[in-house]
Amino acid sequence: DAKTTQPPSMDCAEGRAANLPCNHSTISGNEYVYWYRQIHSQGPQYIIHGLKNNETNEMASLIITEDRKSSTLILPHATLRDTAVYYCIDKGHNRKLIWGLGTSLAVNP
Amino acid sequence: GAGVSQTPSNKVTEKGKYVELRCDPISGHTALYWYRQSLGQGPEFLIYFQGTGAADDSGLPNDRFFAVRPEGSVSTLKIQRTERGDSAVYLCASSLTTGELFFGEGSRLTVL
Repeated sequence: DAKTTQPPSMDCAEGRAANLPCNHSTISGNEYVYWYRQIHSQGPQYIIHGLKNNETNEMASLIITEDRKSSTLILPHATLRDTAVYYCIDKGHNRKLIWGLGTSLAVNP
Repeated sequence: GAGVSQTPSNKVTEKGKYVELRCDPISGHTALYWYRQSLGQGPEFLIYFQGTGAADDSGLPNDRFFAVRPEGSVSTLKIQRTERGDSAVYLCASSLTTGELFFGEGSRLTVL
């Protein structure tokens, strides 16, 4: 079973920030927080990852709470092409990823 | 292209038949993963290779499923005596020794 929990769906207006939450209630000290997304009929795509500090790249920002029990993926200016299922995953030294059901984000014009 | 390539993109077969799905990883990526994904679900881990050897095959559902990576590059997922429940999208991913996974577009298997 997945270790993370996410809301099943969210809506966002085009051009606004999309904030996707994730709960990591059982994350351990050596596990990273990874985010992927999957656009319809495509393979998953890596977005960003972090351990304890906030991270930013060209796609998104990742905010991790101090206790590491929750994280938020931020898409600062959502576009229609950001409509996808977003997955957060706790990843440790064990290579296999355990995926949950993700959050289905709909960006509306 | 420079990405992970999977063939065939679609495969329709009859119950009981044998199927092979192929994955060409990104050049230089030592790790290779197979996942399968049913409609509305997240990807489900099947097997992970580090080089030529299967480092973790704990996700293979039963002995009808087998995967090889004989030269540490291309991998083949083999399914014997296919069943309707095997219908899914089979995803392959590769990575360097650490870090993010790069996925292919998947092979959609339909067992009639």
